[in-house]
Amino acid sequence: NAGVMQNPRHLVRRRGQEARLRCSPMKGHSHVYWYRQLPEEGLKFMVYLQKENIIDESGMPKERFSAEFPKEGPSILRIQQVVRGDSAAYFCASSLLQGQNTGELFFGEGSRLTVL
Amino acid sequence: AQTVTQSQPEMSVQEAETVTLSCTYDTSESDYYLFWYKQPPSRQMILVIRQEAYKQQNATENRFSVNFQKAAKSFSLKISDSQLGDAAMYFCAYRSGRNNNDMRFGAGTRLTVKP
Repeated sequence: NAGVMQNPRHLVRRRGQEARLRCSPMKGHSHVYWYRQLPEEGLKFMVYLQKENIIDESGMPKERFSAEFPKEGPSILRIQQVVRGDSAAYFCASSLLQGQNTGELFFGEGSRLTVL
Repeated sequence: AQTVTQSQPEMSVQEAETVTLSCTYDTSESDYYLFWYKQPPSRQMILVIRQEAYKQQNATENRFSVNFQKAAKSFSLKISDSQLGDAAMYFCAYRSGRNNNDMRFGAGTRLTVKP
C-alpha cells in the first residue's frame, strides 16, 4: 500500500509566479490535510478537504491560496503570485473516514517551495 | 482552541542513555488523541507513538513510552537506550476525537544524540 505521495519534492519559483503542489492520499483515504512548515517551526494547519469538498480552510490565507480535491486525481494546493514569505515546506496528510479513524494522520514527504 | 506547548527547544542525550521530552496541551474536550511524531533530516513525518485520551494505560512502542497525565494535561515522551538514529526533531500533536478537522502541533524539540 503506497503511502501519501507528494510532488514535486522541490519547486523553485520567482516572485509573481504560480506554484502547484500535488498530493495523492493513501489508498482508501478520503480525507486530505495540508500543512505548512516554516524553517525551525512546527506544522501549521492550512486546509482540510474531502473529495470535492473543502471542509475547513481556516488556516489558509484568504488571498492567493486555494486548494481542491477533485473526484478524480490528486489534491492540489495552488499558490498564485508567490512571494518570498511563501517559501516553506508544504506537507500533505491523509486519514481514513471519520468513525474508522484511529486519529492518526499519515504524512507525505513534503514539497519544499523556494521563492527567489 | 487547543494549544500544544513543547518547552524544550533542544535536548541532548548520550547514546544508550534515557531522555524525556516534555509536552503540555490545553483543551476543554474529554475525547482526543495525542501523538509524538519524529522528523529526521529527510523531513518525513514519522509517527512514533499514539495515545487515546480515554485509555489510562500509558502507550509503549519498543524503546519509546509516554507518561500521560490527563488531569495535568501532560504528555511526555521517554526514549530509552537512545540510538544515533533517534536524532531528529520531535513534535507533540493533539487531535480532537470529536472534531478532528486538524491536528495541532507543538513547536518541536530538537534531539541530539552524542556517541
